[in-house]
Amino acid sequence: KAGVTQTPRYLIKTRGQQVTLSCSPISGHRSVSWYQQTPGQGLQFLFEYFSETQRNKGNFPGRFSGRQFSNSRSEMNVSTLELGDSALYLCASSNQPGPYNEQFFGPGTRLTVL
Amino acid sequence: AQTVTQSQPEMSVQEAETVTLSCTYDTSESDYYLFWYKQPPSRQMILVIRQEAYKQQNATENRFSVNFQKAAKSFSLKISDSQLGDAAMYFCAYTGPSGGSNYKLTFGKGTLLTVNP
Repeated sequence: KAGVTQTPRYLIKTRGQQVTLSCSPISGHRSVSWYQQTPGQGLQFLFEYFSETQRNKGNFPGRFSGRQFSNSRSEMNVSTLELGDSALYLCASSNQPGPYNEQFFGPGTRLTVL
Repeated sequence: AQTVTQSQPEMSVQEAETVTLSCTYDTSESDYYLFWYKQPPSRQMILVIRQEAYKQQNATENRFSVNFQKAAKSFSLKISDSQLGDAAMYFCAYTGPSGGSNYKLTFGKGTLLTVNP
């Protein structure tokens, strides 16, 4: 069974631009969560989607948004990029919603904001 | 907000020996889950072990075991017979009960484990 895939793997943007990241979960998994990983703040939860509905949200500004499609693929969008948004963005899928369940992580998208 | 503290930024162990990684957490909840996730260099993060707070018995997965001390809010990971493939960043994580404001994974800053041959 194929693992979680994320595209693109690397991205360079400039301040003020917007970006969209994509995540394809493991086949059969309907829950997708997003995390931001930075050296300073560590790993932080962004949001979780299950069956196209946002189930939970972390403490990030409204510039960070997401959605999930009927095939469980998910996208994350960041608008008006800031230097501090440079990070590794990880996507994780699970067969059931909620952090109790084992999260299967993707390789991440490395976003650099110049 | 809940906090998870890993006081050892880096640890090293000789192959075949045992190492213990420390984790403490702060919570006022009685029902929660604790996890250890492993992030190998340039590879996906994977779940190592999971502990439910209401279970007194410490979780074990092959060479990996935890020492869960609920009163002390401590959750250490013991790796026995360390192997080169155990080299990774290890993250301790916490989640509160369903429906609560802490129903999300809160991670510690991680411990980088080096395994020496």
